[in-house]
Amino acid sequence: GEEVAQTPKHLVRGEGQKAKLYCAPIKGHSYVFWYQQVLKNEFKFLISFQNENVFDETGMPKERFSAKCLPNSPCSLEIQATKLEDSAVYFCASSQLRVYEQYFGPGTRLTVT
Amino acid sequence: GIQVEQSPPDLILQEGANSTLRCNFSDSVNNLQWFHQNPWGQLINLFYIPSGTKQNGRLSATTVATERYSLLYISSSQTTDSGVYFCAVDSNYQLIWGAGTKLIIKP
Repeated sequence: GEEVAQTPKHLVRGEGQKAKLYCAPIKGHSYVFWYQQVLKNEFKFLISFQNENVFDETGMPKERFSAKCLPNSPCSLEIQATKLEDSAVYFCASSQLRVYEQYFGPGTRLTVT
Repeated sequence: GIQVEQSPPDLILQEGANSTLRCNFSDSVNNLQWFHQNPWGQLINLFYIPSGTKQNGRLSATTVATERYSLLYISSSQTTDSGVYFCAVDSNYQLIWGAGTKLIIKP
């Protein structure tokens, strides 16, 4: 598609439950990035992919977070055993090249209660 | 790691006014982008500007990479310009974000 698509728009989970977020990058873009926005203004890089391969996962809290980009499927970000501090908006972005303009989806707002 | 600082943190203007937002970064970067996050949370790409000057309507941006800063100019502000403006730089192939400038345009 012409835009980055993210689903769902909103997700509410009780503490300890699993959360799974999805992202469909712009067609033809090889790179996918996930960012977390907390407290309205703080963005944190989580992970990036080149096609289905993890490119950089230095921002991921690995004990509970995992992500995949499989061929012919939306990319996914999964949080096992959510914590209150995981409440945030999760943005997905895609790019044609490794160093180039990143285009962002509308985000998924995760609320952990 | 690289530090990104934006100023001012908050700006309140009357409709029709002009403004300049600044982004300083502490090291060389491969890429710099300006975004507008509207009151509904949507991130809108404004400029991809690792260096030089670009213009798009009432908005323009200049990045002086050698001096490690970028400026975003908004002319003849409209109420729809309200929101938070973010600068983000590419360091080691991930975007590092400033804390944003919150802009309120009063009618």
